[in-house]
Amino acid sequence: GAGVSQSPSNKVTEKGKDVELRCDPISGHTALYWYRQSLGQGLEFLIYFQGNSAPDKSGLPSDRFSAERTGGSVSTLTIQRTQQEDSAVYLCASSPQGGVGELFFGEGSRLTVL
Amino acid sequence: DQQVKQNSPSLSVQEGRISILNCDYTNSMFDYFLWYKKYPAEGPTFLISISSIKDKNEDGRFTVFLNKSAKHLSLHIVPSQPGDSAVYFCAARDRGSTLGRLYFGRGTQLTVWP
Repeated sequence: GAGVSQSPSNKVTEKGKDVELRCDPISGHTALYWYRQSLGQGLEFLIYFQGNSAPDKSGLPSDRFSAERTGGSVSTLTIQRTQQEDSAVYLCASSPQGGVGELFFGEGSRLTVL
Repeated sequence: DQQVKQNSPSLSVQEGRISILNCDYTNSMFDYFLWYKKYPAEGPTFLISISSIKDKNEDGRFTVFLNKSAKHLSLHIVPSQPGDSAVYFCAARDRGSTLGRLYFGRGTQLTVWP
């Protein structure tokens, strides 16, 4: 497809389990972002990848969260030992080169931690 | 601390009338502002943007106004249409932080009724 693709679209897990969320950005986009939206909240920045530069991880809420981007394309966000407060919609976005301009968002992965 | 604030969680407008969505910010380092629209179960999509060197930007039915002294921006939709019903997010970029990292408000649910 032409847009940002995320999987799974829905994930229900038990507290304490690990989860992986996947993002396939738009082909050719060098910048990739992860955001999350908790219930009633705005979009919260998590992490940013730009080309081969070191990622900006300043938004990750704890060391249970990590992300990688392989080959400058697909990214995986991993949450270890999930907690109920991790329940949110995790949104991935890409852009042609970062900087000024719009982000192209995927449809999100809804995570529910029981 | 919410650097971008959308104080109205919802707005209801009759079709054909003007919709005005408001956004306030606290960070004087913000230099670029964007509005995103989000339908249920979809990712946010870019709508319109404005640089801090301007005070108005217009695109069809959509106009964004920026008042830097008041740290306030607004999105005007004229005339409003039922298809405009969605959640609207205000976002801003801090020129001192990661290029492309955006700070989002919590959104305003716009409902346009016939």
